[in-house]
Amino acid sequence: GAVVSQHPSRVICKSGTSVKIECRSLDFQATTMFWYRQFPKQSLMLMATSNEGSKATYEQGVEKDKFLINHASLTLSTLTVTSAHPEDSSFYICSASNGGRYGYTFGSGTRLTVV
Amino acid sequence: QKEVEQNSGPLSVPEGAIASLNCTYSDRGSQSFFWYRQYSGKSPELIMSIYSNGDKEDGRFTAQLNKASQYVSLLIRDSQPSDSATYLCAPKERGGGNKLTFGTGTQLKVEL
Repeated sequence: GAVVSQHPSRVICKSGTSVKIECRSLDFQATTMFWYRQFPKQSLMLMATSNEGSKATYEQGVEKDKFLINHASLTLSTLTVTSAHPEDSSFYICSASNGGRYGYTFGSGTRLTVV
Repeated sequence: QKEVEQNSGPLSVPEGAIASLNCTYSDRGSQSFFWYRQYSGKSPELIMSIYSNGDKEDGRFTAQLNKASQYVSLLIRDSQPSDSATYLCAPKERGGGNKLTFGTGTQLKVEL
């Protein structure tokens, strides 16, 4: 149980284009989803928290107009990196919670390379 | 600023030994604590969770929590080369949207 599917696993895009990353909870309803970014040899940095049906809450320093998050249903959240630049190249990981006290399940991550 | 401190390592232990990973946290209100394992290039996977002071054992893993000292640890018995990974400590923030705050992680290397 508690499986989170994240797609794509890898994406290479040209500078200036947009990339959408999907995160799906397959066997539970995710009331809250979290989006993280991780640079090489660094820890996970929380970008935003999204609750189903409401606007995402962004962490300080994260541009909400650049990183668009949609959580339209209890099983799907998407992160769109708009007008991507090489400095946006990173490992993006989603995590889902069903609101309980238990650990959060992570997706497999998306490695974004902007060229 | 809520902080989670871990020794980045690498912590090297011989195969079969006990690996001890430590974590301190600043948010006194944290009630739930999670240990994740992350292999290079992969996403984190949950190893253990602990909510009450004391020890919690699951197979080769034991988590220890001391809320008064704001300290949580993970012991790995009979360490195997496959345990070589980065271990992330993550207290769950009180309120604040139920966020997890991650430490920088401790890199563990189990040597043959």
